[in-house]
Amino acid sequence: DVKVTQSSRYLVKRTGEKVFLECVQDMDHENMFWYRQDPGLGLRLIYFSYDVKMKEKGDIPEGYSVSREKKERFSLILESASTNQTSMYLCASLKGPTQETQYFGPGTRLLVL
Amino acid sequence: EDQVTQSPEALRLQEGESSSLNCSYTVSGLRGLFWYRQDPGKGPEFLFTLYSAGEEKEKERLKATLTKKESFLHITAPKPEDSATYLCAVQAVGTYKYIFGTGTRLKVLA
Repeated sequence: DVKVTQSSRYLVKRTGEKVFLECVQDMDHENMFWYRQDPGLGLRLIYFSYDVKMKEKGDIPEGYSVSREKKERFSLILESASTNQTSMYLCASLKGPTQETQYFGPGTRLLVL
Repeated sequence: EDQVTQSPEALRLQEGESSSLNCSYTVSGLRGLFWYRQDPGKGPEFLFTLYSAGEEKEKERLKATLTKKESFLHITAPKPEDSATYLCAVQAVGTYKYIFGTGTRLKVLA
């Protein structure tokens, strides 16, 4: 079974803080994704990575950056947290071209005060 | 523009009352259509992948079908534990990107 874990289930941060969200997958998947999920808006792609040190912007990258130094780990960074970044953050991973199913982590609910 | 629309937004069923959830999509070349179940406060859990029109997949009380424009998730004799949000997503040929619908919130009453 694929396992995707996220470093925190709940986080409370102050406006302006730098926030790190970590995601780890244990199935040697090449591709990893960060989404945010908001009521009525569904899942929106922030960034994805198709290899170590490689990344591409998704639909809403503003205010976020990512890091992928090791294949199993993909970090999302909020450089200066703002209240409109309060959301549920979901990480997913995907094996590669012959397997299209994304597997999700449990999510991190972030509250920015 | 690639797009996914799910209906209804919310659905309340009595236990044992079968129904269907709809996922309409427009995509420039379908690579795959995916159904997920999401419980409150948790990440989406994979249910099915469908690749071509006419394909069907089943798992317990759930059956997913696919046409060229839409997919249905049929729920037969649902139980309260089937209560969740069901998400549909499509992937276009040539990309790893998923386009998600906003989901259908299903509540099954005992």
